[in-house]
Amino acid sequence: DVKVTQSSRYLVKRTGEKVFLECVQDMDHENMFWYRQDPGLGLRLIYFSYDVKMKEKGDIPEGYSVSREKKERFSLILESASTNQTSMYLCASRDYRGEQYFGPGTRLTVT
Amino acid sequence: QKEVEQNSGPLSVPEGAIASLNCTYSDRGSQSFFWYRQYSGKSPELIMSIYSNGDKEDGRFTAQLNKASQYVSLLIRDSQPSDSATYLCAVNPRGATNKLIFGTGTLLAVQP
Repeated sequence: DVKVTQSSRYLVKRTGEKVFLECVQDMDHENMFWYRQDPGLGLRLIYFSYDVKMKEKGDIPEGYSVSREKKERFSLILESASTNQTSMYLCASRDYRGEQYFGPGTRLTVT
Repeated sequence: QKEVEQNSGPLSVPEGAIASLNCTYSDRGSQSFFWYRQYSGKSPELIMSIYSNGDKEDGRFTAQLNKASQYVSLLIRDSQPSDSATYLCAVNPRGATNKLIFGTGTLLAVQP
C-alpha cells in the first residue's frame, strides 16, 4: 500500500510567520503534489514536482514555495502566512498509472 | 463552464439501494478518470479509476465512462450508512499528464 505522511494534522500560526509543511511518500514516486481544499472551492493545485529539485506552479502558487531535495520528501513553504491561507493542505503522490494517493492532510489556521 | 462538474447534493438514498453519482467534464481529450471518497475531516481516498469507455466493476462499486458524452459515473450497489461521504470526480486533462482536475464533489447520505 502507498503511504503518504504529513508532518502535522493541525497547525496554528500567526500572521507573518514562515510555515513549513512536510510530506513524505514511501513508494518511490516521481510526482508529488500540494493542494489546498476549501469549502465550495474544492481541491486546488498549489505546486507539483516531477523529480528531485524540479517543480512546476499549479493554479494558485502565490504566497507559496516548495522544496524537493529528496525523492521521497516534498515540502510546502508559506513565506509569510496570512489569514487567507487558513485551509486544509493535502499532499499527494502519483503512480505510473496516474493514480494520486493523498496524505492525511494538515489543517492550518493562521490567526 | 467548470472543467469538471458534479452535483453538490446531498444525494439521499435508503440503505440497500443503488446510489448513482455523476460527473461531466469539458476537455474532450481527457484520458484518465478517477473517483475518490472523502469522509468529513479526512483526506480523499481513491476508490476507482477508469481509462476506457464502458463499465469497470470493483466489489459494490461500478465506474462507467462515456467519452463521447464526456460523462463518468459511479454506482454504489447495496449502499450502506458507512458509504455516506463526499465523492470527488477527478479527470486527467489532455496535455497535462501529471495533473488532475477535481470536481467539488457530491455529498452522499445513506439513510439507515
